Amino acid sequence: AQSVTQLGSHVSVSEGALVLLRCNYSSSVPPYLFWYVQYPNQGLQLLLKYTSAATLVKGINDFEAEFKKSETSFHLTKPSAHMSDAAEYFCAVSDVMAGGTSYGKLTFGQGTILTVHP
Amino acid sequence: EAGVAQSPRYKIIEKRQSVAFWCNPISGHATLYWYQQILGQGPKLLIQFQNNGVVDDSQLPKDRFSAERLKGVDSTLKIQPAKLEDSAVYLCASSSPGGSYTFGSGTRLTVV
Repeated sequence: AQSVTQLGSHVSVSEGALVLLRCNYSSSVPPYLFWYVQYPNQGLQLLLKYTSAATLVKGINDFEAEFKKSETSFHLTKPSAHMSDAAEYFCAVSDVMAGGTSYGKLTFGQGTILTVHP
Repeated sequence: EAGVAQSPRYKIIEKRQSVAFWCNPISGHATLYWYQQILGQGPKLLIQFQNNGVVDDSQLPKDRFSAERLKGVDSTLKIQPAKLEDSAVYLCASSSPGGSYTFGSGTRLTVV
């Protein structure tokens, strides 16, 4: 069974500081990995995804994540936090569906709330 | 491309009443998902459709929840009768092979 662990339910940084949100996964097959952001009363917006190509994945708004198979990790980083980055972030893992052509269900972590201080 | 459309955005019902949610996925996306997101938790899959067939409904409480996707396009999720613990945001998503996996804005259900 797949699972995702996000270390730290709350992370607080100063504006301009490095953002690091941690995600570890377990999967019996090579996974697809995702990071989503959720603003209050909104749906989930995809930041980036890893689909077995380059291990360093660049996403929107200067976010990036590195897939480390040996550590079963997919941590999310951003060099310089903006006030607008304050939101909840979810890491998710998916199996590849039969035939390798589509995604299966996403298994989500519990989420990390990012607070950005001026 | 247009996003995943869901309605209503908000719904408040009393326990033991019934409720239905609607989802229209991105055009051409064969796979449709319903997730339940309880406050403070990550979303959890309720049911997954491939076209109009069910791929995974192992986490759907079938005694009270039902879902259909009759023509392989839009879908409805129904709860009957609702319980207090069903209060959550219900998210619909759709995906294409090797492409996007897109979520709608969700329906926030409050059961009182």
